[in-house]
Amino acid sequence: QVRLEQSGSAVQKPGSSVRVSCKMSGGSLITSAFSWVRQAPGQGLEWIGRIIPSANMRDYAQKYQGRLTFSADKAANIVYMELRGLTSEDTALYFCAREGAGYPDWGRGTLITVSS
Amino acid sequence: ELVLTQSPATLSVSPGQRITLSCRTSQSINTRLAWYQQKPGQAPRLLIYGASIRAAGIPARFTGSGSGTDFTLSISSLQSDDFAVYYCQQYDRGTFGGGTKVEIK
Repeated sequence: QVRLEQSGSAVQKPGSSVRVSCKMSGGSLITSAFSWVRQAPGQGLEWIGRIIPSANMRDYAQKYQGRLTFSADKAANIVYMELRGLTSEDTALYFCAREGAGYPDWGRGTLITVSS
Repeated sequence: ELVLTQSPATLSVSPGQRITLSCRTSQSINTRLAWYQQKPGQAPRLLIYGASIRAAGIPARFTGSGSGTDFTLSISSLQSDDFAVYYCQQYDRGTFGGGTKVEIK
């Protein structure tokens, strides 16, 4: 059974960067695709992008182009999301999800709070 | 840009009722649609993919239908565990609908 374990919550200063990790167990990164989804407090789900490690392919939602980077450590079975130039509007719960037909597996989410 | 519109935004219902949630897409997506259930403090849970295929372990009271631009999720005989927010998603592009909150009447 696939499990996705995400790094812990963090408080970040405006203008700084944050990196969130998502470690996969029970499966292999090289046979999987991953999406990142965020959810601002009290709001809906927002897809921010995907990474396919085996193809070295990344696809970012247009509004995050230039501020968002996904990477993968295939040996460690971990994918990463880095978001730069944080503002208060980036305060949200960030989820990683393994893609299949739909997204069958999700991490528990990482709360990123942007505050001075 | 693909847009998914869910209705209603909120549905107040009593346990035991049957409900139908709607998701409309701005472009035809064939049957590449998924439905998720999300409870407070939890990650979304995949219910339906391919517009009508129940994910593993999902009870038969959840039924998805539709193709093209109009989709529905029906829940027969609503149980207390079903009160949650439901999202549709076009999973090739990742786009989510705004969600429907199903609350106890």
